[in-house]
Amino acid sequence: GAVVSQHPSWVICKSGTSVKIECRSLDFQATTMFWYRQFPKQSLMLMATSNEGSKATYEQGVEKDKFLINHASLTLSTLTVTSAHPEDSSFYICSARRQSGELFFGEGSRLTVL
Amino acid sequence: QKEVEQDPGPLSVPEGAIVSLNCTYSNSAFQYFMWYRQYSRKGPELLMYTYSSGNKEDGRFTAQVDKSSKYISLFIRDSQPSDSATYLCAMSAPGSARQLTFGSGTQLTVLP
Repeated sequence: GAVVSQHPSWVICKSGTSVKIECRSLDFQATTMFWYRQFPKQSLMLMATSNEGSKATYEQGVEKDKFLINHASLTLSTLTVTSAHPEDSSFYICSARRQSGELFFGEGSRLTVL
Repeated sequence: QKEVEQDPGPLSVPEGAIVSLNCTYSNSAFQYFMWYRQYSRKGPELLMYTYSSGNKEDGRFTAQVDKSSKYISLFIRDSQPSDSATYLCAMSAPGSARQLTFGSGTQLTVLP
């Protein structure tokens, strides 16, 4: 079964609204989680590293005010896409690293902004 | 030059064939190597996880790491149509709290 749960799996919203995506590690504690964006037929693009109890580390070119990340506990990180626009439509995936080093991914969240 | 190079394919094979997927890398600090399978519109699923050089087998899957050549492989025996997916290699260095470095993925289709 899944060890990382991501919710919602798909969401449609109007332009200008905000959308929150949750990522939970189900059977281990993750001090570090990662958020990615994936365009069709392309590999994963790291957006940010989410650190429990501290600020997220964003990759170059990723707007931190646009993509708000909160790592509230050792099992939960959230990504909020603020004031979403059609160009934000994408597949967003989270991952969590187990202490042994293995990285597990969530099922992904497909965002469509109308 | 990318840190991790992976042939994007697409690769089509008949059912039952042995599939060989490969990645090369340039960073000699990489010690952890992973292969993920990603079905369309789904998150990647961890298939194999190896540390340093050597082989690892799990059912129909075998992962090989050759650190001297900076080359890793994933072999799929008796391939099935359900193996049709994109396969991503990924690797990281010890102590890296950041992210894995991914290959671009190879799209595989196993024809019945």
